[in-house]
Amino acid sequence: DIQMTQSPSSLSASVGDRVTITCQASQDISNYLNWYQQKPGKAPKLLIYDASNLETGVPSRFSGSGFGTDFSFTINGLQPEDFAAYYCQHHSDLPLTFGGGTRVEIK
Amino acid sequence: QVQLQESGPGLVKPSQTLSLTCSVSGGYFSSGNYLWSWIRQPAGKELEWIGHISPTGNTNYNPSLKSRVTISIDTSKKLYSLKVTSVTAADTAVYYCARRLFAGDYDAFDIWGQGTKVTVSS
Repeated sequence: DIQMTQSPSSLSASVGDRVTITCQASQDISNYLNWYQQKPGKAPKLLIYDASNLETGVPSRFSGSGFGTDFSFTINGLQPEDFAAYYCQHHSDLPLTFGGGTRVEIK
Repeated sequence: QVQLQESGPGLVKPSQTLSLTCSVSGGYFSSGNYLWSWIRQPAGKELEWIGHISPTGNTNYNPSLKSRVTISIDTSKKLYSLKVTSVTAADTAVYYCARRLFAGDYDAFDIWGQGTKVTVSS
């Protein structure tokens, strides 16, 4: 199985901050990486697909980059509605696996 | 607009079988670009892919669960189902059904159900 290691596991930030989360794959996954946002009690929501492509309707303050084994996800100008958990997920091979998640909390 | 809705018992006894159904409304169900999936999440933990089924009935399962999991589909009713046998407390989780869409460069879980909590306890 391909292991996805996310860091940090949690962070505290203020409205307006720039926040970056990283995700490392245990082997080369090309750009086959997605990012999801999950709010408490809700299902995950797709934000970024194939490492850097913004899902339709998702605000442009969200962005992603990376290739191979190292990826990053950035929120430029954190908004109150962005406080949530974020997960990376690869689709390079089966089984599909997710990262451990990053909880973004209010400072 | 496509919507997914999970249904099934919220409480299952240890050693018994967990059974859930995902009903799909709106949109086209039988596209070859869809894999109808199950994903679960124990409280406070990460998401775990359980498996998926194509509209033609082809399945893939997570090896960690493969011996206990069966996913089936009824295209006429636009629904698919999950069965997990011999459950233990470790199977307690929120279970999500989700559509995996792949088209060109796009391959992601683009639509999710709201999730249903299943507790394994006597």
